[in-house]
Amino acid sequence: GQSLEQPSEVTAVEGAIVQINCTYQTSGFYGLSWYQQHDGGAPTFLSYNALDGLEETGRFSSFLSRSDSYGYLLLQELQMKDSASYFCAVVYNQGGKLIFGQGTELSVKP
Amino acid sequence: GAVVSQHPSWVICKSGTSVKIECRSLDFQATTMFWYRQFPKQSLMLMATSNEGSKATYEQGVEKDKFLINHASLTLSTLTVTSAHPEDSSFYICSARMTGALANTGELFFGEGSRLTVL
Repeated sequence: GQSLEQPSEVTAVEGAIVQINCTYQTSGFYGLSWYQQHDGGAPTFLSYNALDGLEETGRFSSFLSRSDSYGYLLLQELQMKDSASYFCAVVYNQGGKLIFGQGTELSVKP
Repeated sequence: GAVVSQHPSWVICKSGTSVKIECRSLDFQATTMFWYRQFPKQSLMLMATSNEGSKATYEQGVEKDKFLINHASLTLSTLTVTSAHPEDSSFYICSARMTGALANTGELFFGEGSRLTVL
């Protein structure tokens, strides 16, 4: 089977740093992606890791450890507009489909 | 950036009728598109992988006769919910991946979604 686990919700204040963890159990793993979704909107791509290590894109960074079946998304200098749901997603070898985790709802407080 | 357009954004229909949702990649060709379903405050559940010119691949538990998928061209995939019932009410989102040298394997471009309400 396949499973992805991430915290259901996280709260932080403006300017802070927050880390959202994701653990996965699956066969056919190819890489791990992260998406942001605001209420009622379309998911938007944030980051992708196929190899172990850290990928940095502006205020957002993502990390992957294949041996630990673990990754995280790091959000720095939090802003109010970062309040949204964040999903990790496993990319599969075959067909490259993405299976999403349950999502983490991030609330940024002033 | 790549744009995926989905239509209609909202649809209300009577129980027993069929509804068609279109997904178009506007500025790139998509040999593969994916259809997801999302209930409020829940994750995106993959329903099927739509391949241009061939039959869709459905995920376990998704009824292929109820959710008809057609991918007739490199820029258009359609999802038809047949004989809709109130429990089919949901947010349906399509996505597509670019192909070629510039493609990022982990990146899907999503449509804006179609909110279906079955009365």
